Amino acid sequence: NAGVTQTPKFRILKIGQSMTLQCTQDMNHNYMYWYRQDPGMGLKLIYYSVGAGITDKGEVPNGYNVSRSTTEDFPLRLELAAPSQTSVYFCASSYSPGGPQGTDTQYFGPGTRLTVL
Amino acid sequence: AQSVAQPEDQVNVAEGNPLTVKCTYSVSGNPYLFWYVQYPNRGLQFLLKYITGDNLVKGSYGFEAEFNKSQTSFHLKKPSALVSDSALYFCAVRVHGSGNTGKLIFGQGTTLQVKP
Repeated sequence: NAGVTQTPKFRILKIGQSMTLQCTQDMNHNYMYWYRQDPGMGLKLIYYSVGAGITDKGEVPNGYNVSRSTTEDFPLRLELAAPSQTSVYFCASSYSPGGPQGTDTQYFGPGTRLTVL
Repeated sequence: AQSVAQPEDQVNVAEGNPLTVKCTYSVSGNPYLFWYVQYPNRGLQFLLKYITGDNLVKGSYGFEAEFNKSQTSFHLKKPSALVSDSALYFCAVRVHGSGNTGKLIFGQGTTLQVKP
């Protein structure tokens, strides 16, 4: 298993440009997540998906969009890049939480380092 | 509001000495707690989790964590630190009251520096 893979590893964008961050997992996980990591701020949840065709907003969704057409893929779209979106982006996946509150571990990709100038 | 706090930005310890990385939490209901480690330019790797049962949880690479309900803490520990343990450590808690979504709240991270 490759686990969770993300492309690209690095990207520099100009203000106003758009791009898609790719995320693929081969563990047949139902649940997938996008986080951003800013220095000294921990990880913030952008969007998540509990299965193909189902997505929902996390803590910091503004400026981003997602889609989930297959179980394996969960791309993150930036439509109009802004300097505030300079960050490291992590995709994660997990099995469906086993109980009403969920217990399962999230597995993370290697990240995409994005700079918006 | 549910939250996780890691009160120390950095912890320094000599190789061979015991280490502790602190985490406190605030949640409604029973907490599901996690520790992750991040090596430079890498994604997060799962270390251990507490769901229920024994308050002392053992995880990967010789790490363990102690759940203390009265102090709302979940400190990460290791009896003898290695230089290779130097990394960024995150504590996280499962979000309650959000349905079956598996969402996590992360602390801001603690950098562990182990010196030879």
